[in-house]
Amino acid sequence: NAGVTQTPKFQVLKTGQSMTLQCAQDMNHEYMSWYRQDPGMGLRLIHYSVGAGITDQGEVPNGYNVSRSTTEDFPLRLLSAAPSQTSVYFCASSTDRYEQYFGPGTRLTVT
Amino acid sequence: RKEVEQDPGPFNVPEGATVAFNCTYSNSASQSFFWYRQDCRKEPKLLMSVYSSGNEDGRFTAQLNRASQYISLLIRDSKLSDSATYLCVVSESSNTGKLIFGQGTTLQVKP
Repeated sequence: NAGVTQTPKFQVLKTGQSMTLQCAQDMNHEYMSWYRQDPGMGLRLIHYSVGAGITDQGEVPNGYNVSRSTTEDFPLRLLSAAPSQTSVYFCASSTDRYEQYFGPGTRLTVT
Repeated sequence: RKEVEQDPGPFNVPEGATVAFNCTYSNSASQSFFWYRQDCRKEPKLLMSVYSSGNEDGRFTAQLNRASQYISLLIRDSKLSDSATYLCVVSESSNTGKLIFGQGTTLQVKP
């Protein structure tokens, strides 16, 4: 099993550009989440999904959209990038909601 | 007040030392508690769950005090490979199973 994969690993965007961060898992997990990690802040939940077709907002959802059309994939869309969205983004999946398996992360810089 | 608070450290200890990390949480209705480990520029990984009765996994011991809303992690006989950031994680009380992450405590074990 590949586990949780994320692409790209690194990305630089200009303010106002849009892009999609990809996340996929091959463990047949129902629960998937997106977090951002900033220095001194810990991981903060952006959006999460409890199954295909079901998504909900986390702590910091503004500026991000998600969809979950399949169990495997959970892409995160940045609608109009802002410098405040410079961060490391982690996707995670789990079967029991608590033991989350994280992807390797995407390091995003918005200039 | 942050929902999950940790001393960010860093804790610098010699090999073989015993070191303890503490964490406090604000939501008395939280049900599940965990310690995750995060190596530099890597994704977080579950280290151990924390049970009310306390639990041990090799050199690692986790304790929970619900009355004081306090969680601890004790590492005995520290190894160089224990150098990492340790994240205290608490579940929300709702059925979503959302996790709240502390900002982490950094441990550096020196030869």
